[in-house]
Amino acid sequence: EVVLTQSPGTLSLSPGERVTLSCRASQTISSKYLAWYQQKPGQAPRLFIYGASSRATGIPDRFSGSGSGTDFSLTITRLEPEDFAMYFCQYYGTSSYTFGQGTKLEIK
Amino acid sequence: QVQLQESGPGLVKPLQTLSLTCTVSGGSINSGGYYWYWIRQHPAKGLEWIGYIHHSGDTYYNPSLKSRVTISVDTSKNHFSLNLNSVTAADTALYYCARARGYSYGYAFDPWGQGTLVTVSS
Repeated sequence: EVVLTQSPGTLSLSPGERVTLSCRASQTISSKYLAWYQQKPGQAPRLFIYGASSRATGIPDRFSGSGSGTDFSLTITRLEPEDFAMYFCQYYGTSSYTFGQGTKLEIK
Repeated sequence: QVQLQESGPGLVKPLQTLSLTCTVSGGSINSGGYYWYWIRQHPAKGLEWIGYIHHSGDTYYNPSLKSRVTISVDTSKNHFSLNLNSVTAADTALYYCARARGYSYGYAFDPWGQGTLVTVSS
């Protein structure tokens, strides 16, 4: 079973800063099945990135995803106030899903 | 735009059956060949997929829950349902329904329902 490890658990940053979130898989995975979600308190997760690097509908271009093999990342080039939230990575493989534990972006 | 909405009791007694329904609006549960999922989120354990149903009635469950889970669909009401029996406190979680997009989206979940909190307690 693939395990996804996200780091760090929490990041304290200021609006306008650039940030890269990490998602590491316990074994080589296909980037086609790697997704990122944003979740705000009291809300459902929202798909942001699929296929490791494709932005979902309506997602601003300050968000970008990259990676392959075991190492994947989500980069936000200039943090806006609405970007402070929890971010999860997720992998689909052999009819099952694995989620990372999430990275929380908080305002410094 | 497809939207999903969970409904059901927020409190279930231990060893009883948890029953939730997900109503789909803005689109037909029959169209597009999508797979309709239940997912739960524990505060400590994170997100866990429970299982899916296709409009054809095909189902697949997380092996860790398979013995206790049944997912069904009612295409006439455009909704699908979750039954989880013999619940314990470990089943206390936020329950979501979601649609899995197809191969071109790497089967990512989009959209999700708002979620419903289910507490198992006597």
